Parts: sequence; structure tokens; C-alpha cells
Amino acid sequence: KAGVTQTPRYLIKTRGQQVTLSCSPISGHRSVSWYQQTPGQGLQFLFEYFSETQRNKGNFPGRFSGRQFSNSRSEMNVSTLELGDSALYLCASSLSTGPNQPQHFGDGTRLSIL
Amino acid sequence: GNSVTQMEGPVTLSEEAFLTINCTYTATGYPSLFWYVQYPGEGLQLLLKATKADDKGSNKGFEATYRKETTSFHLEKGSVQVSDSAVYFCALSELTGGFKTIFGAGTRLFVKA
Repeated sequence: KAGVTQTPRYLIKTRGQQVTLSCSPISGHRSVSWYQQTPGQGLQFLFEYFSETQRNKGNFPGRFSGRQFSNSRSEMNVSTLELGDSALYLCASSLSTGPNQPQHFGDGTRLSIL
Repeated sequence: GNSVTQMEGPVTLSEEAFLTINCTYTATGYPSLFWYVQYPGEGLQLLLKATKADDKGSNKGFEATYRKETTSFHLEKGSVQVSDSAVYFCALSELTGGFKTIFGAGTRLFVKA
């Protein structure tokens, strides 16, 4: 069974640009969550999507947005990139939504802002 | 708000030593608790979980017990191996208008041969 796939693995952008990251969940999984991982802040929750609806959102500015498609694939977009957006962005999928559901993580997209 | 606090690392142990990584949490409700592990160059993997008080999660020789009275979920292993070297994250999941997982800062473990 294929795991969570994130593309691209690495990305280099400059300040002011925008970026779109993609996540394909495990087949049959309907919930997708996104996290930002940095050495200083650790793992921080960005948002969760279930059945194409954003169910919850973390404390990030509106420059961070996402969506989920009918096949459960998800994209995350960051506009007007800032140096502080350099991080590892992790996507996680689970069968359903809810606190008892273990999450399965992808290997992440490492975003570097120059 | 809800939070997870785990012991700072790095933790350095010799092979076959006993491991404890402390984790405490604050939560308004009854969260589920998890330990995830991140090996070098890889994404996070679920190590174990517990969904209610007094539950014990276990996997690969690791154990953790959900202690509601002390709001703790300490990770233990009786005999660590070099291959256990990784970063360990304690996490809680709650339903607050939508499913959300809060992670601790992570504890890096080095195991020496």
C-alpha cells in the first residue's frame, strides 16, 4: 500500500513569490492535515481537511491556504513568501477525522526562501 | 490552550540502557495521546497511542501509559538499540471544532554502541 506522497521534495523560492505544495494521501484516507516543522517552533498545525472541507485551522496568517479535492488529494498554497516560511512542510493523512485516528505522515517538502 | 511538554534533549544512552522520555500535557477535555518517531531523513511515524485513561500503548518494545491523574504519557523502553536513535514526539489529539493534533518539541535520542 503506497504511503503519503508529497511533491516536490525540495523547493527554493525567493521572497514575495508564491508556492503550491501537493499531498496525495494513502488510498482510502479522507482526512488530510498539514504541519510546518522548524527548528525553533517545532511542529505546528496548519489545517485539516476532510471531505473537501477545512475542519480546523492553526494560528497562521491568511497567506497560508489549502484545499482538498474530491479524490482526497490536497494542496497547500503560501503567497507572498517570507524568509520565515523556510521550513519542512509535512502532510499527514488518516482514514477519518477525529482524535483517535493515528496519522500517517509523508516525508515532507523542504521549502527554502532566499 | 492545550499543550504538550516533553523533556529537552538530546538524550544520550549506551546500547541496552533503559530509556525514559517524559511527556506531560494540558487539555480541557479527554484527548488521545500519541508518540511519533522521526528517523533521520524520514517523515514521522506513529510509534504508539492510547485513547483513554490507564490505557497502555506499546510497540517495538516501547511503552507508554495514559495517566490522567498526573497528565502524563511517559515513553519507556527497557533496552535501547543503536537503531532507536531518532527524534521522539509526544502528541495529543483533540476535537475542538475540528480535529487537531498538538505536538511537543521533540526529544532527540542518541544511542551509542
